[in-house]
Amino acid sequence: GEDVEQSLFLSVREGDSSVINCTYTDSSSTYLYWYKQEPGAGLQLLTYIFSNMDMKQDQRLTVLLNKKDKHLSLRIADTQTGDSAIYFCAERGTGTYKYIFGTGTRLKVLA
Amino acid sequence: KAGVTQTPRYLIKTRGQQVTLSCSPISGHRSVSWYQQTPGQGLQFLFEYFSETQRNKGNFPGRFSGRQFSNSRSEMNVSTLELGDSALYLCASSLQGMNEKLFFGSGTQLSVL
Repeated sequence: GEDVEQSLFLSVREGDSSVINCTYTDSSSTYLYWYKQEPGAGLQLLTYIFSNMDMKQDQRLTVLLNKKDKHLSLRIADTQTGDSAIYFCAERGTGTYKYIFGTGTRLKVLA
Repeated sequence: KAGVTQTPRYLIKTRGQQVTLSCSPISGHRSVSWYQQTPGQGLQFLFEYFSETQRNKGNFPGRFSGRQFSNSRSEMNVSTLELGDSALYLCASSLQGMNEKLFFGSGTQLSVL
């Protein structure tokens, strides 16, 4: 079946690293995404990774993919108060137009 | 370039009524998809349109329908509203819809009383 799971909440102190985890079930997923949603706004694409990659780094963001365990993580280095938001992971398989989103992880950054 | 525009921003309706939401994609984008966001369920896929054709559909009842016009603008309609339809409805556009990044609008917050 289709299911993407995330923990609901994460709280970190400013300057620390945040790690948001996600597990998915569709082994044929080709593209995996991380989106950020700030209050009152739509989702904004942060980064994405192809399933043939293990890691992708983009400035403060590092995405790690463990295909065997179907586990995706997003690490935010030097977390700032502006990073407080809801983070969604999403998957999409080859040849489909449908994205499956996780329930979102609410990140709270404490000053 | 203007982003994805959704109107109206807020809507209050009563049970049994119907509602139409509008989405204007980014210029040049031909794929428009709709999602329902609720605190308990997260984002649920409603449907996706490309060149005026529905290409994919989620698991929602027939009360939820949509269409896309020749200029790629899209509307979704919910008939016979229920309390459980209260949600943030998000529209996203992309160039082709395949292997593409989604660009989201700010959503329409629908409250059903």
